[in-house]
Amino acid sequence: NAGVTQTPKFQVLKTGQSMTLQCAQDMNHEYMSWYRQDPGMGLRLIHYSVGAGITDQGEVPNGYNVSRSTTEDFPLRLLSAAPSQTSVYFCASSSGRNNSPLHFGNGTRLTVT
Amino acid sequence: AQSVTQLDSQVPVFEEAPVELRCNYSSSVSVYLFWYVQYPNQGLQLLLKYLSGSTLVKGINGFEAEFNKSQTSFHLRKPSVHISDTAEYFCAVMNSGGYQKVTFGIGTKLQVIP
Repeated sequence: NAGVTQTPKFQVLKTGQSMTLQCAQDMNHEYMSWYRQDPGMGLRLIHYSVGAGITDQGEVPNGYNVSRSTTEDFPLRLLSAAPSQTSVYFCASSSGRNNSPLHFGNGTRLTVT
Repeated sequence: AQSVTQLDSQVPVFEEAPVELRCNYSSSVSVYLFWYVQYPNQGLQLLLKYLSGSTLVKGINGFEAEFNKSQTSFHLRKPSVHISDTAEYFCAVMNSGGYQKVTFGIGTKLQVIP
């Protein structure tokens, strides 16, 4: 049972480059989300999705795009990377019912130079 | 809007001593409360959750937390810590009134000293 799988684990980008962080879950979860984790700031919600074809912005959406074409996948796109996007990114999913906890991937550590 | 405050950014404690990690929240509606643990270079794992009912909830690895509605707190406790408990702990609140959005605290780093 893989749970939530994130790729890549590490990535270095130059300012202005674009890339996609991949996230896949095999638990048939309706809800998926992306967080970034920065020292002293905890986890901040970037974007989330409550089902295929439905996405919405979180607390810090600027500079990021998402789409949800299938239940399993929820990629996060950085269109033009900036040093301020250096962070650890976590994908999480849940069944979407109000009392269900989040299941997290192991994270992607992104450095933008 | 909802928010979570973790009052201590770092907590050093000697092995086999008790520990309490503090968490306060604010919300205009009913919430569900969670504690997650993050070991180095890993994602977050659920430690325990409060949904309703008994205000004392027990989780994995000997941890427990008590929900106090009047003080809007959800402090995490363990009577005797082990070296393996060294990790970062996050308190989180989820709004029970609508689509699932979770707000996390900034985390508390627990360092267990041998």
